[in-house]
Amino acid sequence: ETGVTQSPTHLIKTRGQQVTLRCSSQSGHNTVSWYQQALGQGPQFIFQYYREEENGRGNFPPRFSGLQFPNYSSELNVNALELDDSALYLCASSWTGQGPYNEQFFGPGTRLTVL
Amino acid sequence: QKEVEQDPGPLSVPEGAIVSLNCTYSNSAFQYFMWYRQYSRKGPELLMYTYSSGNKEDGRFTAQVDKSSKYISLFIRDSQPSDSATYLCATFTGNQFYFGTGTSLTVIP
Repeated sequence: ETGVTQSPTHLIKTRGQQVTLRCSSQSGHNTVSWYQQALGQGPQFIFQYYREEENGRGNFPPRFSGLQFPNYSSELNVNALELDDSALYLCASSWTGQGPYNEQFFGPGTRLTVL
Repeated sequence: QKEVEQDPGPLSVPEGAIVSLNCTYSNSAFQYFMWYRQYSRKGPELLMYTYSSGNKEDGRFTAQVDKSSKYISLFIRDSQPSDSATYLCATFTGNQFYFGTGTSLTVIP
C-alpha cells in the first residue's frame, strides 16, 4: 500500500504567475483535501474533492481551484500568485464511507515560495 | 474567534518528563478531536483521536477531552528525544477540519 505522494517537493514562482501542485492519493481512498500551512501556523483547509466534485471549501478566494481525476489523484491550481501564498501545501486523502469520522492521511507537502 | 486555539510554545523538556499539550475550541457541536504529530519538513501524522468527553490511552500517549470547558489535552509520559516535533490539535465539522497552530516540543537527552 503506497502512501500519499505530492509533487513537486519545492517550487519557486514570482508574483502574478500560476502554479499547479499534484497529489496522488493513498490506494483505496476516494477523497482528497488540500491545506495551506504558513510558517508557524496550523494547516488551513482550502477545499475537498470527493468523486471528482468539490465537496466543501474553506475561506480561500476563487483563484485557488482544484481537480480530482477518476483515479482519485488531484491537482491544486493557484492563479495570480501573491507573496502571502508562500506556504507548505498539504494534500490529505481519506476514504469517505458511512461513519462520521474518516481518518486523513497527509502527504509530505509542496513548499511554494513566491518572490 | 478561531475554532481551535493552541499555545504555540515552544516547549522544551528533559528526557523522561511528562509533557502536557493543550487546546481550547469554540464550538460545542464538535464531537471528534484529533492530535497530530508533524516532524520538520513532513506532513502531519495522526497520533490518536477521541470522541466526545473522556480519556483515551495509547502507549505513552493519553488524550483527554473536557467538553464542559471545551478543553482538549495530550499527555506524553516518559518523553523521548524522538518525540521532538510539532503537535497539532484538530477537530472537524462535516468535511472541514480545523487545526490549532501547533506546539513545538523539544525533548532534551
